[in-house]
Amino acid sequence: QKEVEQDPGPLSVPEGAIVSLNCTYSNSAFQYFMWYRQYSRKGPELLMYTYSSGNKEDGRFTAQVDKSSKYISLFIRDSQPSDSATYLCAMTSFQGAQKLVFGQGTRLTINP
Amino acid sequence: DVKVTQSSRYLVKRTGEKVFLECVQDMDHENMFWYRQDPGLGLRLIYFSYDVKMKEKGDIPEGYSVSREKKERFSLILESASTNQTSMYLCASSLTLRGTQYFGPGTRLTVL
Repeated sequence: QKEVEQDPGPLSVPEGAIVSLNCTYSNSAFQYFMWYRQYSRKGPELLMYTYSSGNKEDGRFTAQVDKSSKYISLFIRDSQPSDSATYLCAMTSFQGAQKLVFGQGTRLTINP
Repeated sequence: DVKVTQSSRYLVKRTGEKVFLECVQDMDHENMFWYRQDPGLGLRLIYFSYDVKMKEKGDIPEGYSVSREKKERFSLILESASTNQTSMYLCASSLTLRGTQYFGPGTRLTVL
């Protein structure tokens, strides 16, 4: 079993929809959670960074962490065609901070 | 803005060749990383370096070596390229071990 599980999709939604992307994990030591966005033929770029449980909002993006369920989510409101990309979750523990563990990535397409 | 550059976007090599992939960052980051990204497997850490001349193995170091002679430059070496090393290679850097990792655009390597 992988340490981090992420549905690879693809996920296709109409413009304006609310998108929910999720990852589950098995290592209870993970405390730092990230979402990266990767456009085609580019490297990943950090989108959201959260520590421990709770919510974090940045514009149209909201990251949620539920450590009791070992489950993290990224919500995109009022989705735009420019949000079409692969979204990767990543996480690490305090001790193993140098080693990010990534999910497979979910390929998202927003249709105009 | 942090900039991480990689020497080539696309590279085609033959089985048995020695291959050098170079990565340069311009933000004086202590930590640098090499990943490979494959469909269905996500990003996997090959090697990382937390200081000049210091290196540590990641999850899949077999068949690879690295070199960090200067703080800004981190090289990945495929001693004898094999077809199963055909992949997208991504370099990243971070200021601190728990800090955000900034990625380069990637090198798509094909080994024939």
